[in-house]
Amino acid sequence: AQSVTQLDSQVPVFEEAPVELRCNYSSSVSVYLFWYVQYPNQGLQLLLKYLSGSTLVKGINGFEAEFNKSQTSFHLRKPSVHISDTAEYFCAVSLLQGAQKLVFGQGTRLTINP
Amino acid sequence: KAGVTQTPRYLIKTRGQQVTLSCSPISGHRSVSWYQQTPGQGLQFLFEYFSETQRNKGNFPGRFSGRQFSNSRSEMNVSTLELGDSALYLCASSFNGADSPLHFGNGTRLTVT
Repeated sequence: AQSVTQLDSQVPVFEEAPVELRCNYSSSVSVYLFWYVQYPNQGLQLLLKYLSGSTLVKGINGFEAEFNKSQTSFHLRKPSVHISDTAEYFCAVSLLQGAQKLVFGQGTRLTINP
Repeated sequence: KAGVTQTPRYLIKTRGQQVTLSCSPISGHRSVSWYQQTPGQGLQFLFEYFSETQRNKGNFPGRFSGRQFSNSRSEMNVSTLELGDSALYLCASSFNGADSPLHFGNGTRLTVT
């Protein structure tokens, strides 16, 4: 079975500061990796995904993530955050084959302070 | 292209009742998945349908069921509602396969009293 651990439930940062949201996963087989963002009263929106190839993936809104197979991590980063980045962020994994099924982490609430 | 549409947005039901939630996927998407989101358990996979067939199922009791129609629209039904079923129910559609990103609707917030 797969599991995802997001190491921080809340991350407060000041506007224009860099941020890293940490994600570790556990799986006995290879997986696809995703980061989703959820704004208040909305569904989830895909930020970026790692399927294969380059371990550094770039997503929307200036976010990027690095896949580290040896550390089973997929941390999300942004060099300079804005107030509009305030949201909840979810890391997720899915198996490479078969039915579409995501296993999510518990989420990290990112709060940007002016 | 229209996004994933879920109806209704809000629903209040009483214990013991049943409820049906509806989801219209993005045009061309044949896979529809359902997730339950609660503060305590987070996001949990309910089931996934592809071409009217249930392809995968999560660890939920049989009170939770779903179906998919030939136009890919999907419905989710919960019978004999319990207080613990209060949650945000999210529907997501994708083209096909595990590498296709999910596109989520805004959810249906179900409150059971």
